[in-house]
Amino acid sequence: QKEVEQNSGPLSVPEGAIASLNCTYSDRGSQSFFWYRQYSGKSPELIMSIYSNGDKEDGRFTAQLNKASQYVSLLIRDSQPSDSATYLCAVKDNFNKFYFGSGTKLNVKP
Amino acid sequence: DTGVSQDPRHKITKRGQNVTFRCDPISEHNRLYWYRQTLGQGPEFLTYFQNEAQLEKSRLLSDRFSAERPKGSFSTLEIQRTEQGDSAMYLCAETGERGGPDTQYFGPGTRLTVL
Repeated sequence: QKEVEQNSGPLSVPEGAIASLNCTYSDRGSQSFFWYRQYSGKSPELIMSIYSNGDKEDGRFTAQLNKASQYVSLLIRDSQPSDSATYLCAVKDNFNKFYFGSGTKLNVKP
Repeated sequence: DTGVSQDPRHKITKRGQNVTFRCDPISEHNRLYWYRQTLGQGPEFLTYFQNEAQLEKSRLLSDRFSAERPKGSFSTLEIQRTEQGDSAMYLCAETGERGGPDTQYFGPGTRLTVL
């Protein structure tokens, strides 16, 4: 059974701080990794994708991938109250199936 | 708005009834996925299509569930003899090249409540 693990939180950070979200996965053959944001009652919205080891930056968001440790993280700089949501980590296997973690709830306090 | 649409947005039904959901992706040529999401959980894979071919089906998908994608365009998900445990959000996602390889774009979902 391929698994994606996330700390459910909630993770609380003050406005302007850096939020750090973590994810581990079990399938060593996975090649594609994604972070989604999901507001309550809404569908997941893609934030970042990352395919190779290292960091990938997009605005206030940085995704980090370490395949050897089977670890993916998302950093959100200058956190805003509008960033308060559940963040889902997703992994694609070699058979085009996607596995999602249960999500980490982030609260950014004004 | 990702451009992926789902209908209906909400469905309330009585146990034992059949329900059908529809998903309209942007492109006929992309992969189309169905997921189920319950409160506090991430989306759970149900099945996916490449064009009209159903390539993978989760073991979680009992014989009460069936999905089709006629002509590789829109897709339907039918649940027969609904049970209270089927209550969930049913999400459709299209995978294409818009944002990079294998990026998924979700529709707004259909929330099913089985009484």
